[in-house]
Amino acid sequence: GQQLNQSPQSMFIQEGEDVSMNCTSSSIFNTWLWYKQDPGEGPVLLIALYKAGELTSNGRLTAQFGITRKDSFLNISASIPSDVGIYFCAGHTGSYNTDKLIFGTGTRLQVFP
Amino acid sequence: SQTIHQWPATLVQPVGSPLSLECTVEGTSNPNLYWYRQAAGRGLQLLFYSVGIGQISSEVPQNLSASRPQDRQFILSSKKLLLSDSGFYLCAWSGGTFNQPQHFGDGTRLSIL
Repeated sequence: GQQLNQSPQSMFIQEGEDVSMNCTSSSIFNTWLWYKQDPGEGPVLLIALYKAGELTSNGRLTAQFGITRKDSFLNISASIPSDVGIYFCAGHTGSYNTDKLIFGTGTRLQVFP
Repeated sequence: SQTIHQWPATLVQPVGSPLSLECTVEGTSNPNLYWYRQAAGRGLQLLFYSVGIGQISSEVPQNLSASRPQDRQFILSSKKLLLSDSGFYLCAWSGGTFNQPQHFGDGTRLSIL
């Protein structure tokens, strides 16, 4: 099925560094969502974006809904060890009203002390 | 607040045996319900979704089936498991309107021997 292009695929950073990851698509989206998945658990919603250009923060996390509606980024500032996990972008395509999400391929984040 | 429960957390089954995974949601009415499968280190594949009791949409042809006998109960089944059915199964719910975020359970790790 359709998937979003998410990059980078993996990141290895030192504690305290900032992180940036993004998702792009050739289609327009009505929503952009960012999830984090810890090993052996289900994804947890971090940030939900509903309007083009919207910039939303959740603690050290900041995400933006691209103005073209075809991309989104997630930034994590001052990373800490508990930020380790897989981050997924997801969204509802804009071609028609839908209950289904399209997911990115994930960014695996490792944080070293 | 809304909660989603999935069980069992882990399951080891022989090839050819039946399967029943259950998911229930509390604290909301008329949710949309979803079953996903996630292969190790991979993204999420939507298997089934339901917008109401007895209404099931299948996304991919496979050895599995789903049922929704009650508003907040979603069941994933198989009559005869295959080795390829191994994986991490996730249930999710969303509000009953379009473009709503999905919220995931903790998943079931299914191993087929």
